[in-house]
Amino acid sequence: DAGVIQSPRHEVTEMGQEVTLRCKPISGHNSLFWYRQTMMRGLELLIYFNNNVPIDDSGMPEDRFSAKMPNASFSTLKIQPSEPRDSAVYFCASSLGDDGNTIYFGEGSWLTVV
Amino acid sequence: KNQVEQSPQSLIILEGKNCTLQCNYTVSPFSNLRWYKQDTGRGPVSLTIMTFSENTKSNGRYTATLDADTKQSSLHITASQLSDSASYICVVSEKTSYDKVIFGPGTSLSVIP
Repeated sequence: DAGVIQSPRHEVTEMGQEVTLRCKPISGHNSLFWYRQTMMRGLELLIYFNNNVPIDDSGMPEDRFSAKMPNASFSTLKIQPSEPRDSAVYFCASSLGDDGNTIYFGEGSWLTVV
Repeated sequence: KNQVEQSPQSLIILEGKNCTLQCNYTVSPFSNLRWYKQDTGRGPVSLTIMTFSENTKSNGRYTATLDADTKQSSLHITASQLSDSASYICVVSEKTSYDKVIFGPGTSLSVIP
């Protein structure tokens, strides 16, 4: 099993540019999560998809952030325009079912906005 | 407000020694509690998951306990190894329609020779 695959692993971009992060969940998993990790705030949930449908996007910081899941094997998190305070590690994770199952994390996308 | 707290913030121990990490939570209604290990530069990896009715669960040298009455959990690491150096994150799920998890700040463990 390849696990949750994220790309890019590292990205450095200038303020104002659009950033697109990509995720391929584990095959067969129907729950997908996007998290953000910073030194100050730790890990925070941004958005949760179940069966490709966004269920909880209350953690999305503002309108500059958007996420899509066009099919069961692919999701994107987009930031437009990016700001320096968006610099963080963005994790995608997936699990099977709605509750109580192991959540598997990808290796993260390290974003630096200068 | 639902919160997860962990102690100590950081810990340094000698290789071969045991240690215990603590987690207190105020999440309600409670669904389950997990411990994750996060190596530097990597994604978190699940160690254990416990529901309300489970008091203890082991995974090799890792043993987690849960007291749902006092809302406390601990992670005990036996015979520590250098590879145990990592951040250990306590994660508590709120009982909603899905696995809405709340992360603790983590305990940074350093195992030294």
